[in-house]
Amino acid sequence: DAKTTQPNSMESNEEEPVHLPCNHSTISGTDYIHWYRQLPSQGPEYVIHGLTSNVNNRMASLAIAEDRKSSTLILHRATLRDAAVYYCILRGGQGAQKLVFGQGTRLTINP
Amino acid sequence: EAGVAQSPRYKIIEKRQSVAFWCNPISGHATLYWYQQILGQGPKLLIQFQNNGVVDDSQLPKDRFSAERLKGVDSTLKIQPAKLEDSAVYLCASSPLRGQGPNEQFFGPGTRLTVL
Repeated sequence: DAKTTQPNSMESNEEEPVHLPCNHSTISGTDYIHWYRQLPSQGPEYVIHGLTSNVNNRMASLAIAEDRKSSTLILHRATLRDAAVYYCILRGGQGAQKLVFGQGTRLTINP
Repeated sequence: EAGVAQSPRYKIIEKRQSVAFWCNPISGHATLYWYQQILGQGPKLLIQFQNNGVVDDSQLPKDRFSAERLKGVDSTLKIQPAKLEDSAVYLCASSPLRGQGPNEQFFGPGTRLTVL
């Protein structure tokens, strides 16, 4: 399974944008980039995923580098509820379903 | 839409005892997963079912862990006998059939197991 590298922790202020980086230099051409987050005392939840193009949904945006060796999850206006551990995961295409979680980035939001 | 249900939410047992966890996935989801999450780490896949067949159990410690998914719906995970290092949160997740959308996995709240 291709590996990802994320900072252990990040801190931001409420109502400010947050950019969470992820490096995946060994990504293969068929790997999708998935982001999940885990709020305290809950199971992980899906945030967003992409292959090559930048993606937007109601929760966040995903910016993917042109060479696909890195990506950034963007929370446009962080709230206290966004405090969580964020996981960047590479997942093969063609129906592969396995999620391999790393350590993730623990995001703290200051009021 | 009801989410993934798990029970119990908490369990405390002594080492060498047995324990079982139950999971009811989202209705219609063909794939079911059990993960183990040790404190401070990301979840680790233990076993994956497609309907009632095992797809991946490569990281399941089969000498003490077992899992079944009868009739392709709910599932149980059992540990017998438990060891101290089994203390963790056990997460169940489900997803629709492969090939549909992002194959997003929906997680339950987990069962926190403490082995004394």
